[in-house]
Order: sequence, then C-alpha cells, then structure tokens
Amino acid sequence: KNQVEQSPQSLIILEGKNCTLQCNYTVSPFSNLRWYKQDTGRGPVSLTIMTFSENTKSNGRYTATLDADTKQSSLHITASQLSDSASYICVVSDRGSTLGRLYFGRGTQLTVWP
Amino acid sequence: EADIYQTPRYLVIGTGKKITLECSQTMGHDKMYWYQQDPGMELHLIHYSYGVNSTEKGDLSSESTVSRIRTEHFPLTLESARPSHTSQYLCASSPRTGTSTDTQYFGPGTRLTVL
Repeated sequence: KNQVEQSPQSLIILEGKNCTLQCNYTVSPFSNLRWYKQDTGRGPVSLTIMTFSENTKSNGRYTATLDADTKQSSLHITASQLSDSASYICVVSDRGSTLGRLYFGRGTQLTVWP
Repeated sequence: EADIYQTPRYLVIGTGKKITLECSQTMGHDKMYWYQQDPGMELHLIHYSYGVNSTEKGDLSSESTVSRIRTEHFPLTLESARPSHTSQYLCASSPRTGTSTDTQYFGPGTRLTVL
C-alpha cells in the first residue's frame, strides 16, 4: 500500500533555532517528492520538489534531502522565524499515470515561539 | 502567489441544503482538483479534471459532483448537505505539461460546517 508517514506529528521550537522534519514513504514507482507549507486556514504552498536523481534542494532557509534508496526525506529549517509556524506536508507522486497520483502525509505541525 | 480563488471561505448551513463551492483560476491551467481535508489529517482527492468537459472521481468517495464548462472554473456541488460533509475543501490546479512533476497550486480553501 502506498503511504507517506511524517514525524514528528507536532514540534515546538524557539525562534532562531533549527529543526528537521522527517518523511518516510512506500510509494512505488516513485516520481518525485514535494514539501508543502500550509498556514492555518490556507491552502498548501509548494516549497521544494525533488526527483529520483536529486538528493538535496534548497529554498531560502528550507533545505530538503531525499534518499530514494531508503525512501526517506527530510526538511531542515534554519534560523526559524515566527512565520515558519505552519503545517509542513510531504507529498509523493508516482509514475503510474500522467495525472501523477499524489500521496499526502498528515503533516508536521510546527510552532515557533518567540 | 498562485492566482486561484475559492468562495466562500467559510460556510455554515443546515442539513439538506444544496450548496456550490466555487473555484476559479486565472493561470490557464488545464488540470484542476478538489481535495477534502479534516483537521490533522491528510488531503484526500475527491474530484479532478484534465480540461473542459472532463471530470473524474478521485480516491475518496464523495457525494459531491463537479462540472468543468470553462477552463478557469471548477465548481463543486452538494445536492443535500449532511453533517458528515463538514470539512475543509481545497481546490488546486496545475499546468498540463504531461509530466508528473507539475506543481499543484492550491486555493485558500472553503471551511464547510453543516449543522
């Protein structure tokens, strides 16, 4: 069964600290992996996308890594800010169709305290 | 920020009412999607469309229906709302370039509460 598991479920950190969010998946055949940020009451916004051949991708203070062999990804946030408080969702796409079927994780709820 | 809009943002209605959730995008995207999301849970695809006059059911069974008469417009209709329909509904779109790497752009969502 194709699944995407994220950990931790929730995380609280102090402003300025770094953190790492984890994503494990069983989706096959694998096409790509995305990290989305979803603010409360808003739709998800894409942060990074990585294909099979990419093992790291950065977007400002966000750095995503991918190990396609172990089917694991991480999202590292550097020097956190209050605006980073949101749910971070890992999304994996398969190669089964042109639709690019998406499998969503439940997200990690990050709270940044001043 | 993506140009995809949803109205209303919040809706509270009584059981049995017919409702239509609106979704519009100005990016000329062929593909459009409707997702349902409960608090703390993953998004579930309920409908999608490849283009005008194309609609398909997603993975999660839904009593809602959709239509795609114009490229930019993808409304979702519930003929008779029930409390079990209470959820957040997210609309998304992506360009039809024929690859699975197309990014989906999401609207802000409609929070529906059925009493």
